Amino acid sequence: RKEVEQDPGPFNVPEGATVAFNCTYSNSASQSFFWYRQDCRKEPKLLMSVYSSGNEDGRFTAQLNRASQYISLLIRDSKLSDSATYLCAVNPAAGYNKLIFGAGTRLAVHP
Amino acid sequence: DAMVIQNPRYQVTQFGKPVTLSCSQTLNHNVMYWYQQKSSQAPKLLFHYYDKDFNNEADTPDNFQSRRPNTSFCFLDIRSPGLGDAAMYLCATSNPAGSSDTQYFGPGTRLTVL
Repeated sequence: RKEVEQDPGPFNVPEGATVAFNCTYSNSASQSFFWYRQDCRKEPKLLMSVYSSGNEDGRFTAQLNRASQYISLLIRDSKLSDSATYLCAVNPAAGYNKLIFGAGTRLAVHP
Repeated sequence: DAMVIQNPRYQVTQFGKPVTLSCSQTLNHNVMYWYQQKSSQAPKLLFHYYDKDFNNEADTPDNFQSRRPNTSFCFLDIRSPGLGDAAMYLCATSNPAGSSDTQYFGPGTRLTVL
């Protein structure tokens, strides 16, 4: 089993739709969690950190479920510009200076 | 603007010909990372430096080496590139001393091996 797993997609949605991605992690000691966005042939860019209480940034909402060991990303009112691959990343343990990435979920928003 | 810079952006090398990729940062972060990312795959951590301390991942081939001469610069050396080493190589930095393990990525170097 991979340490961090994501549904690869693609998720094809119309503009204005709401879409949600999940990411599961295997290490229950994992400490911190992130969502990154990666455009085709570009570097990952931090979208948002994921806090225990959940957090929201505009149209984006991230949630953490420690009991079931997954994080989620909800995108409301999808825009064409949201088309990208969304990577989740997990710091596997306290004191670790590294992140384990999922392979990403591809989102395609169409008119 | 503070940033992570990678040079070159595109590198073509021949099978077996050594190549060096460069990363520099103006963020003054104490941790620098090198990742390999192949198409539709997760970025795979090769190694990282915490200040001058080198940390190699267990499954990183010996063909990959790294140097960090100072806080700002880090190099990835591929001693004998094979066709399977063609990938995007991403450099990242973080500042855990500042209580954050968020990583910031450079634009990457896309390596082609002929």
